[in-house]
Amino acid sequence: AQSVTQPDIHITVSEGASLELRCNYSYGATPYLFWYVQSPGQGLQLLLKYFSGDTLVQGIKGFEAEFKRSQSSFNLRKPSVHWSDAAEYFCAVGYQKVTFGTGTKLQVIP
Amino acid sequence: NAGVTQTPKFQVLKTGQSMTLQCAQDMNHNSMYWYRQDPGMGLRLIYYSASEGTTDKGEVPNGYNVSRLNKREFSLRLESAAPSQTSVYFCASSEPLAGRSEGYTFGSGTRLTVV
Repeated sequence: AQSVTQPDIHITVSEGASLELRCNYSYGATPYLFWYVQSPGQGLQLLLKYFSGDTLVQGIKGFEAEFKRSQSSFNLRKPSVHWSDAAEYFCAVGYQKVTFGTGTKLQVIP
Repeated sequence: NAGVTQTPKFQVLKTGQSMTLQCAQDMNHNSMYWYRQDPGMGLRLIYYSASEGTTDKGEVPNGYNVSRLNKREFSLRLESAAPSQTSVYFCASSEPLAGRSEGYTFGSGTRLTVV
């Protein structure tokens, strides 16, 4: 069965600092991988996705993620965090029936 | 450009009452989904519909039923609400392109409280 682990429940970073959110997955074949962002009281918005090809994918809002098959990881990164990036971030895997991780809540301090 | 619209946004039910959550999308997507979101548990799939006329159970289907009314609309029904169904419910849609998943478009959610 497919699964996703986000080991960090809560992360705090200073504005302007770099960010990396961790995601590990389990999937039987070549994985479809996603990162979503959820602002308080809102639905989820797709940040980026990976299926095949270049293992470094670019998304919206300046985010990128790197697929590492050997480590079963798909970590999300941003070089310089802005206060507006404070939100909850979900990693997900799957084609039609997508499984989500439990999320990482990002706090940004001035 | 509405995307995925869910109604109602908020609802309080008494234990044993029934209700239907409505979802409609205007993107001509074939696939639609219902998830519930609970603190610390992420999103869990309740039911999905790969295309008009088909529905399948997800991870947590007990206590729910669904209807894919047409290509646009996918409703979720609670026949006899229980406090354990207190949650935020999200509807989503997707349209695979050339066999590739393009990800979901989500609605803004329905916050349901069962007392």
